[in-house]
Amino acid sequence: QVQLVQSGVEVKTPGASVKVSCKTSGYTFINYGICWVRQVPGQGLEWMGCISAYNAHTNYAQNIQGRLTITRDTSTSTGYMELRSLRSDDTAVYYCARDLDFCVDYWGQGTLVAVSS
Amino acid sequence: QTVVTQEPSLTVSPGGTVTLTCASSTGAVTSGYFPNWFQQKPGQAPRALIYTTNNKHSWTPARFSGSLLGGKAALTLSGVQPEDEAEYYCLLYYGGAWVFGGGTKLTVL
Repeated sequence: QVQLVQSGVEVKTPGASVKVSCKTSGYTFINYGICWVRQVPGQGLEWMGCISAYNAHTNYAQNIQGRLTITRDTSTSTGYMELRSLRSDDTAVYYCARDLDFCVDYWGQGTLVAVSS
Repeated sequence: QTVVTQEPSLTVSPGGTVTLTCASSTGAVTSGYFPNWFQQKPGQAPRALIYTTNNKHSWTPARFSGSLLGGKAALTLSGVQPEDEAEYYCLLYYGGAWVFGGGTKLTVL
């Protein structure tokens, strides 16, 4: 069965960086993309960006692209999201999701990233 | 700054029918925006319901359907069940970027 399993809770100080992983299984990794979505507590979903697992082509949301890098490792079928220069308003649950041909289907369980001094 | 707008909240009676909509600040929503719909319950990850306007995933209950209605994407629930109480989000594609709507809190009462 398709699974996306994310890394655990992260607590960071302002200005630091965080890298969240999304290990996939149950499907052919390079045939799909991986997208990242975040949700500030009590608020809605925000699309951050996607990567093609096949050729590593990325698309990022304009408001965050300068601080965000999405990568993947085909040898371990894992996607990564790195966010730099963290601020308190980056405190959120970060989700990865599988994507193909404009269909976003399976989601990871979410990773809480807390930014506090 | 593209904005995708959903009804903030709706209430429906058990067994009733309700339609949630998803509008784009850029104009009419067409199939070229590849609308996706998701359900999210408190403390859970979102669950995909509909993709590319009206296609259901294998796990999507038959009472959920997607369409285009009056220049918007729409999600219709027919024969609403108590377990359908949740937040619903649409997702639209803008040539390389996706944008979520603000979500609709659906109350079943």
